[in-house]
Amino acid sequence: GQNIDQPTEMTATEGAIVQINCTYQTSGFYGLSWYQQHDGGAPTFLSYNALDGLEETGRFSSFLSRSDSYGYLLLQELQMKDSASYFCAVPPGNQGGKLIFGQGTELSVKP
Amino acid sequence: ETGVTQTPRHLVMGMTNKKSLKCEQHLGHNAMYWYKQSAKKPLELMFVYSLEERVENNSVPSRFSPECPNSSHLFLHLHTLQPEDSALYLCASSQDGPSSGANVLTFGAGSRLTVL
Repeated sequence: GQNIDQPTEMTATEGAIVQINCTYQTSGFYGLSWYQQHDGGAPTFLSYNALDGLEETGRFSSFLSRSDSYGYLLLQELQMKDSASYFCAVPPGNQGGKLIFGQGTELSVKP
Repeated sequence: ETGVTQTPRHLVMGMTNKKSLKCEQHLGHNAMYWYKQSAKKPLELMFVYSLEERVENNSVPSRFSPECPNSSHLFLHLHTLQPEDSALYLCASSQDGPSSGANVLTFGAGSRLTVL
């Protein structure tokens, strides 16, 4: 079966850096995705890692280590608008787009 | 309109009612999905349609009935629901179907369902 673990809640200060970790157990592996969801809004795609290493997109970076079944989302120069839930997601085995989501990490950014 | 549009945004229904949720995507995508999001739980995949054919029914009770008349529209028909079915129902689409390596889903804003 599939199992995805990420912290339930995190709190950080405006301007700081926060790292949201994600570990997964799947029968195969096809990539790790991150989605952001503001309260009352739709989840929106942030990043996708198919290979090991760091992918950077502006203030957000995502890292993957396939040998450790581990990834993280790094948010730099935090802003109040970054307060949201962040989900990591992996496809089960070789089934591509049928993403299985973690429970989500609710990030609160304080002034 | 652009993106993925869901209607209604909010729905309150009794357990004996029949209602439908509608989803429309304007992205030219080939696959559409229904997810359920309950409080404090991960998003749960319910149904997947690829090129208008259902390719996944994730052990969903028969009181939920999906319909995909074409690649741009997806419905979720609801009947004799239970209070525990109250949740946010999210529609999503992707360029490629679930058998590809596509991982980018575009979600709608969701339909908040309350069953009394």
